[in-house]
Amino acid sequence: AQSVTQLDSQVPVFEEAPVELRCNYSSSVSVYLFWYVQYPNQGLQLLLKYLSGSTLVKGINGFEAEFNKSQTSFHLRKPSVHISDTAEYFCAVTPNFGNEKLTFGTGTRLTIIP
Amino acid sequence: DTGVSQDPRHKITKRGQNVTFRCDPISEHNRLYWYRQTLGQGPEFLTYFQNEAQLEKSRLLSDRFSAERPKGSFSTLEIQRTEQGDSAMYLCASSFLGQGTDTQYFGPGTRLTVL
Repeated sequence: AQSVTQLDSQVPVFEEAPVELRCNYSSSVSVYLFWYVQYPNQGLQLLLKYLSGSTLVKGINGFEAEFNKSQTSFHLRKPSVHISDTAEYFCAVTPNFGNEKLTFGTGTRLTIIP
Repeated sequence: DTGVSQDPRHKITKRGQNVTFRCDPISEHNRLYWYRQTLGQGPEFLTYFQNEAQLEKSRLLSDRFSAERPKGSFSTLEIQRTEQGDSAMYLCASSFLGQGTDTQYFGPGTRLTVL
């Protein structure tokens, strides 16, 4: 079984400042890792994913994440945030043997302060 | 290119009533998933289909819940004798098995409120 921990439930950040949203996971098997974003009253949109290869993954809207196997982490970063980044961010994991259910963290609410 | 669609977007019902939700996946996607999201939580897996076969059901899926995907295309999720604890956002996602990318694409969700 897998589990995901997002320690920060809320993160306030000033506009144009950098941000890091933390994600740690636990699994007895190798995994694929994902970050999804959810805007109010909408479904989830994929930001980026790690399947294999380079541990630094770039996604949409200027976000990137780094997979660290030894620390079982997959933190999300953006060098300069905008008001439009205000949303809920979810980290998720699935076993790497394909198309299995996603296990999500509890989410981090990112609030951008003008 | 249409994404995953869900109908209705909102449903308000009284306790004890039955409700049914529909999900239309991305065309050609052979896997379809249902998740439930309660306030302040991440989505939790309920069940998934490969084509018309239901391959796994979560313990969260009590006997009041039933899901079908009769022709391997759209899916329905029915909740019988609804309870206030069933109030949540029900999310559907689809993916294509075979390309190894394992990316699930989500619909906008159906928000259920049980009074």
